[in-house]
Amino acid sequence: AQSVTQLGSHVSVSEGALVLLRCNYSSSVPPYLFWYVQYPNQGLQLLLKYTTGATLVKGINGFEAEFKKSETSFHLTKPSAHMSDAAEYFCAVSERTSYDKVIFGPGTSLSVIP
Amino acid sequence: DAGVTQSPTHLIKTRGQHVTLRCSPISGHKSVSWYQQVLGQGPQFIFQYYEKEERGRGNFPDRFSARQFPNYSSELNVNALLLGDSALYLCASSLELGRHYGYTFGSGTRLTVV
Repeated sequence: AQSVTQLGSHVSVSEGALVLLRCNYSSSVPPYLFWYVQYPNQGLQLLLKYTTGATLVKGINGFEAEFKKSETSFHLTKPSAHMSDAAEYFCAVSERTSYDKVIFGPGTSLSVIP
Repeated sequence: DAGVTQSPTHLIKTRGQHVTLRCSPISGHKSVSWYQQVLGQGPQFIFQYYEKEERGRGNFPDRFSARQFPNYSSELNVNALLLGDSALYLCASSLELGRHYGYTFGSGTRLTVV
């Protein structure tokens, strides 16, 4: 069965510093991979996704993630944190099946310190 | 264009009651999925519907049911409410089934069971 692990339930960075949010997955075959962001009292917004092709994926708001099959990882990075990046981030996986069931990780809360 | 709309935004129910939550997907999106997000956790998959048929079901009791209408809108019904059903219920739409475009989420319905 698929599962998603996000190391660190809470991460704090200084404004302008590198953001690194970790995600590892467990799947029998390479799945589709996603990062979503959730701001307080809102739904989730898709940041980026990996389906096939280039393993370095660029998303919105300056975020990017790299799929590493050998490490079963899909870590999210941003070179320079902004105050507006403070939110909950969810890594998610989806099997390459006929439907789109998506398994979400437990989430990482990102705080940005001025 | 309107995004995914959910109604109501907030709801308070008593244990044992029934609740119906509604979702309208983005225009042109044929697939609707429902997720339950308990406070402090990642969303958990409940159902996926496509072309009015159930295409996927998560590990939820039979008290949970859903349907999709010809206009692709959807309802989630929960019978015999328990305190543990208190959560944010998220609706997500996607263009097609199995293409993993990534979901577009609504802002959710906050259900409180007292």
